[in-house]
Amino acid sequence: EVQLVESGGGLVKPGGSLRLSCAASRFTLSNTWMSWVRQAPGKGLEWVGLIKSNIDGGTTDYSPPVRGRFSISRDDSKNTMYLQMNSLKIDDTGVYYCATGILEPTPIWGQGTTVTVS
Amino acid sequence: QSVVTQPPSASGTPGQRVTISCSGSSSNIGANTVNWYQQLPGTAPKLLINSNNQRPSGVPDRFSGSKSGTSASLAISGLQSEDEADYYCAAWDGSLKGPVFGGGTKLTVL
Repeated sequence: EVQLVESGGGLVKPGGSLRLSCAASRFTLSNTWMSWVRQAPGKGLEWVGLIKSNIDGGTTDYSPPVRGRFSISRDDSKNTMYLQMNSLKIDDTGVYYCATGILEPTPIWGQGTTVTVS
Repeated sequence: QSVVTQPPSASGTPGQRVTISCSGSSSNIGANTVNWYQQLPGTAPKLLINSNNQRPSGVPDRFSGSKSGTSASLAISGLQSEDEADYYCAAWDGSLKGPVFGGGTKLTVL
């Protein structure tokens, strides 16, 4: 089954760091544009950032609230994407999803991992 | 606060038709197609409509989408209790250089 599995969430103090992982199964992560999307408690979906496929350069883009603090990377040998979160703020609390094809006909979303900054 | 606006809530009785609007700008909806997602509590979003009005396999034909200019709409006919969920529109935003989601609409089936 094609799937994405996030891990690495947890409780961290303001100003701290955390690294989330997103492991892909049954498809090659580097062949597609991958995004991180978060959802604060009781709030809506918010795009965090993306990493382009290797054929499109593998570059990254970020939403303004996280630019300069978060970074996305990929380990192609592990078929895994990462979200390094530094200088965490209370407002970064929420469920973090990795996803691909958000605006395509066949998106794939992970189940989410919870980050609590407190 | 999202740059794409949805009403925070909507409601209807079983069997009714409900419409949820999604208003954006020339940098997102006006220039790109719209996907609609349904999210049940505690679960990841599920695709309902892609490319403005296309239903993925398995999505009932009670769900339909449309787009005009910088706005889009999701219509649900023959409302059922299991349709009670949060609904989000999404589109690429050329200024953001990423996808933008509407603020979400909580649908209540009375």
